[in-house]
Order: sequence, then structure tokens, then C-alpha cells
Amino acid sequence: GAVVSQHPSWVICKSGTSVKIECRSLDFQATTMFWYRQFPKQSLMLMATSNEGSKATYEQGVEKDKFLINHASLTLSTLTVTSAHPEDSSFYICSARDRPDLVPQYFGPGTRLTVT
Amino acid sequence: RKEVEQDPGPFNVPEGATVAFNCTYSNSASQSFFWYRQDCRKEPKLLMSVYSSGNEDGRFTAQLNRASQYISLLIRDSKLSDSATYLCVVNGVTGGGNKLTFGTGTQLKVEL
Repeated sequence: GAVVSQHPSWVICKSGTSVKIECRSLDFQATTMFWYRQFPKQSLMLMATSNEGSKATYEQGVEKDKFLINHASLTLSTLTVTSAHPEDSSFYICSARDRPDLVPQYFGPGTRLTVT
Repeated sequence: RKEVEQDPGPFNVPEGATVAFNCTYSNSASQSFFWYRQDCRKEPKLLMSVYSSGNEDGRFTAQLNRASQYISLLIRDSKLSDSATYLCVVNGVTGGGNKLTFGTGTQLKVEL
């Protein structure tokens, strides 16, 4: 089946620094990638949808200037958490699909971010 | 009201038991429905799609009632390896295309 990878698997950073998370589709071209965030004992919450070559669409309440998304190629999307704070500590998961009408999406293994 | 609601559990059941999870969704325009499984600190993985006619995959049976906006998952002959969180997921169409909405999940613990 399709594989989506994420890097890094986990990261610990200091408050005020920026962290970049990569999401790659390994055996298919992903026209659309999604970024989710999951806090402990909560559901996955969609943060933004990124389409290759265009600006990301952010969900209500998600700061686009804080969570920078770049989807420069059909196999790579990046999420940069800028000026990270402890409340940004969470499990970030990406997913990808190769057709707009395709469900379900393929999920990456997630990145656990801890901001100290 | 949450878009997708589930009883968080945990459900502690003995090995071999039959257990059922329920889920309700608020958007009557939702188009497709799924159950995902999520192990601790891992990504969600698709368990099965859910159809109005009901569908079965081995020990797992899923049902959808569109009139009641209700989805269920039945697990028969529970195994230790079934211990996980089960996520009810609903797909709807937005301006940006298909969008998945996740429930908070129901935790299952299968014990010896």
C-alpha cells in the first residue's frame, strides 16, 4: 500500500525556536497533503490542507503565520512551527492522497514535538 | 455539539469477548464513514469503511444508520492485539474537497 513518511519522529526544542517537520509520499504523487494535530486524549484536528504548488488552506483558529506550510513538490510537504511555545507541544501527523476524490487518506507515522 | 461523538471508554474486556462501539455524527450531509484504529503514540490506520448495508471483515462488523446518524463497530472473539483506540471518522465535502473529521476515539483494553 501507499506509504507516507515523516521526519523527525520526535523533536524536543526550546521555547522560541522554530521546528520543521517533513512529510513525504514514498510511492505515489500526492496532489494534496493534510496536517493534523493531536493533543493527549483528544481527536486528530485538521490544521491545514496543502495542494502542490498553491497556498495552504488553514482551518479556523489555526495561525497561518505560526504554522508555515510548504508543498513545493508532489512528494514533499513541510510544516514549520515558528517561535514554538510549550502549548505547541503535540503529536503532528500528516496525510496524503493522490486524487481529490480519494478517501481515505494515507497517514504518516507522526512527529511528537515537545517544547520546553 | 461535537461533529463526531464517541464514548471514550476505556472498555476493559476479557479475551474472547464481543464488544461494540457506537458513534454519532452531526452533519447529515456527510458522505462516507470509516473506523480507524490508533495504537498508542502511532498514526491512525484504516480498519474498515462503513456502508449502510452493513459490512463485515473477519471478526469486525460495521453498521451505519443514516437516519439516526449513528455508526457502530462490533468486534467478536476479542484478541489481546485488538487493544487500541478506535476512531470513528466521517468524511464530508468542503470547498477544498474531501475532509475527514475524527471522533476522540474509544479505548479498548483486552485482558487475559
